[in-house]
Amino acid sequence: DVVMTQSPLSLPVTLGQPASISCRSSQSLVYSDGNIYLNWFQQRPGQSPRRLIYKVSNRDSGVPDRFSGSGSGTDFTLKISRVEAEDVGVYYCMQGTQWPYTFGQGTKLEIK
Amino acid sequence: EVQLLESGGGVVQPGGSLRLSCAASGFTFSTYAMSWVRQAPGKGLEWVSAISPAGATFYPDSVKGRFTISRDNSMNTLYLQMNNLRAEDTAVYYCAKADGALLKSGPGHWGQGSLVTVSS
Repeated sequence: DVVMTQSPLSLPVTLGQPASISCRSSQSLVYSDGNIYLNWFQQRPGQSPRRLIYKVSNRDSGVPDRFSGSGSGTDFTLKISRVEAEDVGVYYCMQGTQWPYTFGQGTKLEIK
Repeated sequence: EVQLLESGGGVVQPGGSLRLSCAASGFTFSTYAMSWVRQAPGKGLEWVSAISPAGATFYPDSVKGRFTISRDNSMNTLYLQMNNLRAEDTAVYYCAKADGALLKSGPGHWGQGSLVTVSS
């Protein structure tokens, strides 16, 4: 199985400051169709997960543009340009290139 | 508006069985891949199963042979039959919908979840 490793696992951030989460895969996520199926999810406290980013850098509808995704091959990053209170929660990366699809361990973002 | 409503969760003894249902609405159910993803208490997310619009099924080794995903396109309903349940299957089970026929971009919509507790 493809192992997804996130860092840091805990991320205290001051309101208005940027935040960055790293996600590394144990093998390349480039699929045979040329796409990279690396996706990001947010789970606010007490809520179901919500997808933020799909295929590395495509923002879902309604996701604020302060969220951005980047990366290639095996190294990927989710960035929040200016953290707001509503961004508190756990963030997961997920690979859809090889079944079984797998998630990272999660990064808990909290306000300092 | 897409809606996914899970039901069927509860407490079951080790070795027992349970069937989860997910009633879908707001989209043409038969044309989308669907899946189940679970989350153990205080833990991360784990894929449990997936099913294509045509009915092809996929399982991770952790549940293969014990869980069966199925769909009734006439009833717009997704199912998860869970047999020989173990304590480590205790989790919230989410019904989740793909953007299309594949789940490679991850589920774009999730249900509210159904809690399954395996305990004697």
